[in-house]
Amino acid sequence: DVKVTQSSRYLVKRTGEKVFLECVQDMDHENMFWYRQDPGLGLRLIYFSYDVKMKEKGDIPEGYSVSREKKERFSLILESASTNQTSMYLCASSSGAGGRRTDTQYFGPGTRLTVL
Amino acid sequence: GQQLNQSPQSMFIQEGEDVSMNCTSSSIFNTWLWYKQDPGEGPVLLIALYKAGELTSNGRLTAQFGITRKDSFLNISASIPSDVGIYFCAGRYSGGSNYKLTFGKGTLLTVNP
Repeated sequence: DVKVTQSSRYLVKRTGEKVFLECVQDMDHENMFWYRQDPGLGLRLIYFSYDVKMKEKGDIPEGYSVSREKKERFSLILESASTNQTSMYLCASSSGAGGRRTDTQYFGPGTRLTVL
Repeated sequence: GQQLNQSPQSMFIQEGEDVSMNCTSSSIFNTWLWYKQDPGEGPVLLIALYKAGELTSNGRLTAQFGITRKDSFLNISASIPSDVGIYFCAGRYSGGSNYKLTFGKGTLLTVNP
């Protein structure tokens, strides 16, 4: 079974703090993704990575950065957290084997971040 | 961007009833995926569909990739209380990047015992 884990289930931070969200997958997947999920807005892609040290912006990258130093690990960084970044953050991964299997993303359990 | 229309938005059913939900798009999709999300958890993949007309089952769940490639449906037979949750469709449309999925807004399912 594919396993995607996220470092924290719940996190409370103060405005202006630097926040790190970590994601690890154990299926040797090339592709990894960070989404945020908000009521009424659904899932929105923040960043994705298709290889170590490679990244591309998603739909809402402003206020976020990412790091992928190892294949299994993808980090989301909030350089200076703001209250409008309070959300559920979901990490996902997919195979880079090509074809339509690349489309099949497996999600982690999520991190509920509250910024006060 | 591409949009997926998922319906219904919510359903209230009695235990034992069958359920049907669907997603439609104005664009052709290459892949359709169905996920279930429990409160406070991440989405869990239920069924992946890769070819037009494909019909795939996973226990009491059955999903089909529409022949026009613009729609997909998910059926749940003989519902039980643990079927409660939000069901999402997702897909990659044929003109999109290799990585980016489009998501429906979800169907909230409530099952009365």
